[in-house]
Amino acid sequence: SQKIEQNSEALNIQEGKTATLTCNYTNYSPAYLQWYRQDPGRGPVFLLLIRENEKEKRKERLKVTFDTTLKQSLFHITASQPADSATYLCALDPTMFSGGYNKLIFGAGTRLAVHP
Amino acid sequence: EPEVTQTPSHQVTQMGQEVILRCVPISNHLYFYWYRQILGQKVEFLVSFYNNEISEKSEIFDDQFSVERPDGSNFTLKIRSTKLEDSAMYFCASKGTSYEQYFGPGTRLTVT
Repeated sequence: SQKIEQNSEALNIQEGKTATLTCNYTNYSPAYLQWYRQDPGRGPVFLLLIRENEKEKRKERLKVTFDTTLKQSLFHITASQPADSATYLCALDPTMFSGGYNKLIFGAGTRLAVHP
Repeated sequence: EPEVTQTPSHQVTQMGQEVILRCVPISNHLYFYWYRQILGQKVEFLVSFYNNEISEKSEIFDDQFSVERPDGSNFTLKIRSTKLEDSAMYFCASKGTSYEQYFGPGTRLTVT
């Protein structure tokens, strides 16, 4: 069956450290993968997209990698701050091709807590 | 910055009643979606809408659900006869020509 799994339900780290979150998927061949941030009671907010032919993507303190052989994406937040505390969701479009209507299938999310 | 808006923020209804959840997507977007999130669970796809028709729907989106874009700006989700298990956050999202989706703040639906 098709699955998206995020490595842990919760991750606690100290301010200034790097947070690393994992997303694994099975029985999908996504053309790209996305990461979203969700704060309690709010809608997901888009952070980064990485395509299957890209190994790494960066945006400010965020970095995403995508390994289609391992079927895994890693999401890193460097120099983490308490304001980074939120749930981070990985999402993919389960269609084989990058066209189409692009519904998203989400992982359950990892709740990150950054402590001062 | 343009954003997706949703009303109401919280709707309480009795089982068996009809509810309409409203969304105003970002104005130049062409693809529209509804997702739901039951408390403590994943965000789940319900339906996608493009060119004034449903392009895809999930197994959750049964005959009790319908969507409409009545006037070129609003996008609505109707649940005809609500059940207790319909209690969830409902998120509207829209998408332009790139792949990322923009989500609204959600409507919390409580069915009693």
